[in-house]
Amino acid sequence: DTEVTQTPKHLVMGMTNKKSLKCEQHMGHRAMYWYKQKAKKPPELMFVYSYEKLSINESVPSRFSPECPNSSLLNLHLHALQPEDSALYLCASSQVWGGTYSYNEQFFGPGTRLTVL
Amino acid sequence: GESVGLHLPTLSVQEGDNSIINCAYSNSASDYFIWYKQESGKGPQFIIDIRSNMDKRQGQRVTVLLNKTVKHLSLQIAATQPGDSAVYFCAENIRRGQAGTALIFGKGTTLSVSS
Repeated sequence: DTEVTQTPKHLVMGMTNKKSLKCEQHMGHRAMYWYKQKAKKPPELMFVYSYEKLSINESVPSRFSPECPNSSLLNLHLHALQPEDSALYLCASSQVWGGTYSYNEQFFGPGTRLTVL
Repeated sequence: GESVGLHLPTLSVQEGDNSIINCAYSNSASDYFIWYKQESGKGPQFIIDIRSNMDKRQGQRVTVLLNKTVKHLSLQIAATQPGDSAVYFCAENIRRGQAGTALIFGKGTTLSVSS
């Protein structure tokens, strides 16, 4: 299984809602990532988890809260979002992160298209 | 950032032509580079990678060239097909603190292939 899956595919939420995005991989990867991609722009890194520990937070607002319950799952909890947070949210995984093993490919999921009203 | 004159946001080619997509990267210490293809409604898909100790790498119908002197990366696609139509991103792997790295994506080039 060389796939990263993400649910839901589409999500529409109001600014007062609380919702969660989910990501799953069964490749035995120990590094997982969240990216945000606006229309016609490149993906931008938000968070990196390595061995279920948060390793990078790219100064993301606290209304985005990541969680890595185990090595296969990655969640992104959303609360009090703004319309400008509407974007495609991509999850990725790689074998490991950091150290001397930096030459490893990241596998991306299809993304969740989020619309904040 | 991107060097003016090197990056084209769009590229239109005829089926069967060879395509060349260019990318300028920002950090001379970057040690690993990846080209991704992103089709509409999908996540980025790995095409080919190259380490900084190489200047050329070939895959199936694709070749990546790395020129570290001018911090330039290119992707060559041979015999371009309509299925190659997508947005292509280069990504550089840069150091983040002491422990790890992060992928930084370039602006992307939209390739349109007409038959």
